[in-house]
Amino acid sequence: SQTIHQWPATLVQPVGSPLSLECTVEGTSNPNLYWYRQAAGRGLQLLFYSVGIGQISSEVPQNLSASRPQDRQFILSSKKLLLSDSGFYLCAWSARGLRQFFGPGTRLTVL
Amino acid sequence: GQQVMQIPQYQHVQEGEDFTTYCNSSTTLSNIQWYKQRPGGHPVFLIQLVKSGEVKKQKRLTFQFGEAKKNSSLHITATQTTDVGTYFCAEMKTSYDKVIFGPGTSLSVIP
Repeated sequence: SQTIHQWPATLVQPVGSPLSLECTVEGTSNPNLYWYRQAAGRGLQLLFYSVGIGQISSEVPQNLSASRPQDRQFILSSKKLLLSDSGFYLCAWSARGLRQFFGPGTRLTVL
Repeated sequence: GQQVMQIPQYQHVQEGEDFTTYCNSSTTLSNIQWYKQRPGGHPVFLIQLVKSGEVKKQKRLTFQFGEAKKNSSLHITATQTTDVGTYFCAEMKTSYDKVIFGPGTSLSVIP
């Protein structure tokens, strides 16, 4: 069966520090991969999606970036965090044309 | 751009009462998906509707897709405390399987 992992589960970082969040999927090949951000009590904002290794599409211009160095690995990064980057970051995967499966998420607090 | 709206934003009900959330789009939807997110958790897929006028049931949950494919509803009969959470409608786009989420309806159930 397929599983999706995210780490860390929680993270507290100072403003201006770098960020690296990792997401890995097991049990499937060539999945679509997605990064979402959810502000407290708000909806899901699609940040990036990828349909293959090295292929990244950005939905919202910001100081975040994403990379997909391996088929089942998706990384969200920032060189310098802003206060507004705080939120709940969710990784998700889907097979072609089917539903999305979400990881457990990372709660990021930027101080 | 196309937006999916949901009403109400919040709903508080007594346990045993019914609950309905509505999803509306200004453009025709190719499909509608529903997800549930428990407090502190990640979204979990509930169902997908594709056909005009489609109705699907899952125990106490009834999902409808409008005849014009511009709206959808989720109705819960006799709510229980386990129904607490935020319910999101979403459309899976045909391009790269992007899922565009509505803002969600947060349901509280008072025991």
